[in-house]
Amino acid sequence: DAGVIQSPRHEVTEMGQEVTLRCKPISGHNSLFWYRQTMMRGLELLIYFNNNVPIDDSGMPEDRFSAKMPNASFSTLKIQPSEPRDSAVYFCASSLGAGGPVDTQYFGPGTRLTVL
Amino acid sequence: AQKITQTQPGMFVQEKEAVTLDCTYDTSDQSYGLFWYKQPSSGEMIFLIYQGSYDEQNATEGRYSLNFQKARKSANLVISASQLGDSAMYFCAMRDPSGGSYIPTFGRGTSLIVHP
Repeated sequence: DAGVIQSPRHEVTEMGQEVTLRCKPISGHNSLFWYRQTMMRGLELLIYFNNNVPIDDSGMPEDRFSAKMPNASFSTLKIQPSEPRDSAVYFCASSLGAGGPVDTQYFGPGTRLTVL
Repeated sequence: AQKITQTQPGMFVQEKEAVTLDCTYDTSDQSYGLFWYKQPSSGEMIFLIYQGSYDEQNATEGRYSLNFQKARKSANLVISASQLGDSAMYFCAMRDPSGGSYIPTFGRGTSLIVHP
């Protein structure tokens, strides 16, 4: 079975450019999460969707970040305009159920973003 | 306040020995789940093991076991017979119903190095 798929795996861009990260969750999973990982801040939850609806976006840093989930098999995280401090590894994760305590998240391979 | 605390930033173990990675958590809820993930140098986050708050038995998955002490709010990961491939970062995580959505919370991680 295919796991969570993320693209691109690596992205290098210049400050001010728009960046779009993509995620395909595991088929049949109803919850999708976007995380950012940096050495300074560790793993931060940015946004959490359940059945394509954003449930919690309190972790989205600022208005430059936006996330969408137009259907059950696709989500995007967009940064516009990008800044050097956005450089990080961005993970997408999905889980099967409605988000209870037993709901295990499975992570994609991550996108390493570098903003110059 | 930290919901997940991993007090050991780095651990070293000899190959074939057992090692315990500490995790303490903070929740006032009765229903919650505890998870451990492994992140090797390649970067992916790999789910290892899960323990539910109502589970009476400690979870085990192959060489991994979770030493769950509910009264002490600890969920330590025990790796038996360490292998060189176990060298990685290890993250403890919890899902509890704070905020109503079982938002996952991750610790800062413990770096494990297995020596030959």
